[in-house]
Amino acid sequence: DTGVSQDPRHKITKRGQNVTFRCDPISEHNRLYWYRQTLGQGPEFLTYFQNEAQLEKSRLLSNRFSAERPKGSFSTLEIQRTEQGDSAMYLCASSLGGAKSQPQHFGDGTRLSIL
Amino acid sequence: SQQGEEDPQALSIQEGENATMNCSYKTSINNLQWYRQNSGRGLVHLILIRSNEREKHSGRLRVTLDTSKKSSSLLITASRAADTASYFCATPRNQAGTALIFGKGTTLSVSS
Repeated sequence: DTGVSQDPRHKITKRGQNVTFRCDPISEHNRLYWYRQTLGQGPEFLTYFQNEAQLEKSRLLSNRFSAERPKGSFSTLEIQRTEQGDSAMYLCASSLGGAKSQPQHFGDGTRLSIL
Repeated sequence: SQQGEEDPQALSIQEGENATMNCSYKTSINNLQWYRQNSGRGLVHLILIRSNEREKHSGRLRVTLDTSKKSSSLLITASRAADTASYFCATPRNQAGTALIFGKGTTLSVSS
């Protein structure tokens, strides 16, 4: 059973650098989500794709953030000119589509540390 | 913005005891989900309960939903050390019901 995989698991970078994370969802899932989680908090929604279309973006997703899902399979999340406040766990999740809400399956996240 | 709020923030119990966590939310929903997160890992889906359901069971888990009070509870019976984790309730971000809004979670510690 292949779950949601995220790469890398950990990323340490200097302030001002660009970083890119990758998410591979469960293969039959057409919905893909990105969340950000800081210590002691629940995940906060960033953006959502259905197939290759980015249908929702949170106000948290500043213009330094961009996400893509070019062929409706894997997705990338890029942060440009990283800031200290970007330090967090970035979680990817996927789910089946349909009219009703479906359980979301999460990867183990990418932990980003900004020096 | 936060939709769900879990209570208590932290809970410490002995193995074999029951653990009850509560979640309150603000707006009308069509479903509510509970997730578990072990330290340093992603979230694992536990139960989804729809607004027309009042109670749902899965193994040692029992979830209730009271839409009139805008609240839900998660009961873990006969807890085990392996149940030590953070537990989150989540509600749909909007009517489309796709992305979720999570509370801050309840941290459960089960000691043997």
